[in-house]
Amino acid sequence: DVKVTQSSRYLVKRTGEKVFLECVQDMDHENMFWYRQDPGLGLRLIYFSYDVKMKEKGDIPEGYSVSREKKERFSLILESASTNQTSMYLCASGLDLEQYFGPGTRLTVT
Amino acid sequence: GQNIDQPTEMTATEGAIVQINCTYQTSGFNGLFWYQQHAGEAPTFLSYNVLDGLEEKGRFSSFLSRSKGYSYLLLKELQMKDSASYLCAVRSSMDTGRRALTFGSGTRLQVQP
Repeated sequence: DVKVTQSSRYLVKRTGEKVFLECVQDMDHENMFWYRQDPGLGLRLIYFSYDVKMKEKGDIPEGYSVSREKKERFSLILESASTNQTSMYLCASGLDLEQYFGPGTRLTVT
Repeated sequence: GQNIDQPTEMTATEGAIVQINCTYQTSGFNGLFWYQQHAGEAPTFLSYNVLDGLEEKGRFSSFLSRSKGYSYLLLKELQMKDSASYLCAVRSSMDTGRRALTFGSGTRLQVQP
């Protein structure tokens, strides 16, 4: 069974704080992704990575950065959290076709 | 860019058949995916189409027409546990090596007794 884990299910942070969201997969997948999911907007791609130390911007990268130092781990960083970054954040990993999603982190920025 | 449209909500009766439509516009097509997402849970993969036609997998089938930019997900013999959101997603061939998907906003299906 593929397993994608995320560091927290729920997180509350204050405006201006630096936030780290961690994602780990155990299937040796090359590709990893960060999405956010908002009502009425669906899943939107923030960043993805197709190899260690490689990253590419998705559709909404502003206000975010990522880090991939090891193949199994992909981190999403909010340098200075803002209230419009309150959302559900979903990490996924995969090879060519199917993407496997983690359980999600519901982040609230107050 | 890519644009994906699917109905926001649908209601169906247990034991019946329901068809969830998805239309898309993309600059370069490299596959269409359907995911299921129960409330409060992560999306899980249902199906993949890259060629025209019908792909059947148990009670679920997915159809693709590339010329029309159209797909549908067909659910037969509906069960209460099929109440979930169904996400249509498209992969573009325009970005070399890109494996990311563009998702529609999802169709929330409610199955009633």
